[in-house]
Amino acid sequence: AQSVTQLDSHVSVSEGTPVLLRCNYSSSYSPSLFWYVQHPNKGLQLLLKYTSAATLVKGINGFEAEFKKSETSFHLTKPSAHMSDAAEYFCVVSGPNTDKLIFGTGTRLQVFP
Amino acid sequence: DSGVTQTPKHLITATGQRVTLRCSPRSGDLSVYWYQQSLDQGLQFLIQYYNGEERAKGNILERFSAQQFPDLHSELNLSSLELGDSALYFCASSDRQNYGYTFGSGTRLTVV
Repeated sequence: AQSVTQLDSHVSVSEGTPVLLRCNYSSSYSPSLFWYVQHPNKGLQLLLKYTSAATLVKGINGFEAEFKKSETSFHLTKPSAHMSDAAEYFCVVSGPNTDKLIFGTGTRLQVFP
Repeated sequence: DSGVTQTPKHLITATGQRVTLRCSPRSGDLSVYWYQQSLDQGLQFLIQYYNGEERAKGNILERFSAQQFPDLHSELNLSSLELGDSALYFCASSDRQNYGYTFGSGTRLTVV
């Protein structure tokens, strides 16, 4: 069975400082991994995806994530937080035998001025 | 606009009633997925259709059903509604070749 664990339910940073949102995955097969963002009262927007190409994946709005098989991790980072980054972030996994997405519990990112 | 259209955006109904949520996928996408987002359960996969046929089932209650029509739009039917069915229901569509999933903005269902 596949699953993802988001290690922090809340992360708070100051504007201009780095962001790190942690995600570990469990999968019997080579997974596809995604990060989605959900702003308040909005839908889900794809930030980036890993599908067994380059292990360092660059996404929108300056976000990137690194797939580390040895650590079963797919952490999301951004060098400098912006106020508009405040939102809920979901780490997501899917596998070769299924199209369905399995969501983590989410990490709420707060950005202080 | 993501290209996936969900209607209505908001729905308020009473317990025991039945509602239908509608989703139009992004142009060219054959797969439609339904997800439920609630405070206690998080985001849960309900069901997937591919080109009119049911492809996968998740944690979908027997009171819920879905279908995908020849024009590829999909409907999620929720019946005998309970207070606990109050949630945000998302539809997503995908072009599997690109592993791209695009979500609609959701339908917020409130059961009173």
